[in-house]
This record gives sequence, C-alpha cells and structure tokens, in this order.
Amino acid sequence: DAGVTQSPTHLIKTRGQQVTLRCSPISGHKSVSWYQQVLGQGPQFIFQYYEKEERGRGNFPDRFSARQFPNYSSELNVNALLLGDSALYLCASSHTTGSSYEQYFGPGTRLTVT
Amino acid sequence: QQQVKQSPQSLIVQKGGISIINCAYENTAFDYFPWYQQFPGKGPALLIAIRPDVSEKKEGRFTISFNKSAKQFSLHIMDSQPGDSATYFCAASIANDYKLSFGAGTTVTVRA
Repeated sequence: DAGVTQSPTHLIKTRGQQVTLRCSPISGHKSVSWYQQVLGQGPQFIFQYYEKEERGRGNFPDRFSARQFPNYSSELNVNALLLGDSALYLCASSHTTGSSYEQYFGPGTRLTVT
Repeated sequence: QQQVKQSPQSLIVQKGGISIINCAYENTAFDYFPWYQQFPGKGPALLIAIRPDVSEKKEGRFTISFNKSAKQFSLHIMDSQPGDSATYFCAASIANDYKLSFGAGTTVTVRA
C-alpha cells in the first residue's frame, strides 16, 4: 500500500510569492494534518482537516491556508512568503480526526524562500 | 513554549549498546505519547506509541517506559545498530485535540 505522498519534493520561491503544496493521504484515511519543520527543530502543527472541514489550527498567521478535497487529498497555501517560511512542510494522515491516534507522515516538501 | 522537553540533544553509542532518550511534560491532559524516527531528507516515521494506562511497551528492540507521576517517558533502543542512526522525536497529544506537540529531537549516532 502506498504511504502518504507529497508534491513537489523541493521548491524555491522568492519573498512575496505564493506557494501551493499538495498531499495525498493513505488510502482509507480521512484526516490530513499539516506541520512545519524548521531545520533542527521538531514539527509544528499548522492545520488538521477531516471530511473536508478544518478541525484544528495552530499558531500560524492567516497567510497560511489549506483545504481538503472530496478524495481526502489536501493543499496547503502560503501567501506573501517570508524568508522565515523556509522549512520542510510535512503532511500526516490518520483514519480519523483528533491527534491521539496514529498519524503517518509523508516525505515532506522542502520550501526555500530567497 | 515547548510543551514536551526532550534530552539529550545528541548522543553517540557503540554498536550493540543501549540508547536512552528522555522526555518530560507538564500538561497532565496528555494521553497519547508516540515516538518518531526521522532520517535526513525524510519525513518522521512512527516508531512506537504508549498511553498513560501502561507503564512500559516493547516492540522489537524499542521500548517505551512511562512514569505518570513524574510526567516523564523515555525511549530505549537495545542492541543499537548503525542503521538506527537518525533523529528521534518524542511527542504528546490530548484527546479531542488536533495537534501533536513534538520535542526538539535527539540525534543518535551508532558507531560500528
């Protein structure tokens, strides 16, 4: 069975630009969470979506938004990019909502903002 | 502020030795404690997880010890192998919440 997939693998953007990252969860999983991992740190929670609805939001500015599609895939959008947005963006899927269940991470998208 | 404090930041162990990573938390509402293993350039992989009603859980060479009264939990890697060289993250979450709170990570290097 395929795991969580993310695209693109790497991305280089300029300050002020907008970026869209994509995630496909494990087959049968209905919940997708997004995390930001800055080099040398643990992942930080951004959003959780379940059945196309936002169920949780972390401490990130409104420049960050996301959505989930009927097939449970998800997109993370970041507007007005800042240098500090450079990070590994991780998508995690689980079979249900909440966080006290197994969450499986994808390989991530490495975003570099110059 | 960091809700889960992880130590040490890094450790070096000889092949066949035991690696021990410790985590401490303050929020007694946490009810799920997973450990993740991450190799460079990869996403975190779920290794093993425990809930507070259990004091120890073992899966192969990996063991979680949980001390509810001390609000601490630890990962023991027995018979460490060079392939275990990675960064390990502890995490915690609250039932009906939506996020995993991660520790800062421990980089383990196993010398052959």
